[in-house]
Amino acid sequence: EIVLTQSPGTLSLSPGERATLSCRASQSVSGSYLAWFQQKPGQAPRLLIYGASNRATGIPDRFSGSGSGTDFTLTISRLESEDFAVYYCQQYGSSPRTFGQGTKVDVK
Amino acid sequence: QVQLVQSGAERKRPGSSVKVSCKASGDLFNTYDFNWVRQAPGQGLEWMGGIIPLFRAPKYSEKFQGRATISADESSNTVYLELRSLIAEDTAFYFCARAVEMGPFDHWGQGTLVSVSP
Repeated sequence: EIVLTQSPGTLSLSPGERATLSCRASQSVSGSYLAWFQQKPGQAPRLLIYGASNRATGIPDRFSGSGSGTDFTLTISRLESEDFAVYYCQQYGSSPRTFGQGTKVDVK
Repeated sequence: QVQLVQSGAERKRPGSSVKVSCKASGDLFNTYDFNWVRQAPGQGLEWMGGIIPLFRAPKYSEKFQGRATISADESSNTVYLELRSLIAEDTAFYFCARAVEMGPFDHWGQGTLVSVSP
């Protein structure tokens, strides 16, 4: 099983600032099958990034993903008010399809 | 527009079973990979298993193997999750999520709250 470790646990930032979230895998993620999700309270997760660096349909270009192998990053270039949420990474290249434990981005 | 509509909230006693449904709109139902993900209150996301209806062979996380059954009904475009021998720690939101084979979970249901208490 691939274990995904996200850091930091919480990121306290102000609107307009840049957010950098990390996701580290215990072994190489096959085919860069790494996704990022955003989840707000009371809502289902929303796909942001797939294939490590591809934005999903309708996702603003302030969201970007990078990385390969075991180290992946989600960057939000300038935080908007609606971006304060919890973010999860997930690998979907092998079974079981594991999630990271999440990073909460909150208002400083 | 793709929609996944799940069944309503359930309250169950410890030791009982629950069956949650997820009805999918759109074409090509039997070619998609439908997955179940749960989230305990205040906790993270946990993949339970999935099924591609065309292949009829569900996959499970080892944690739920033997206690969960994932199935699909092509006549009604509905996938199901049954979880048996419920305990309090099974209290969670259960989400269905759709992917293309080897693809990301791009569409999600609204979630079903299952509460387990005496």
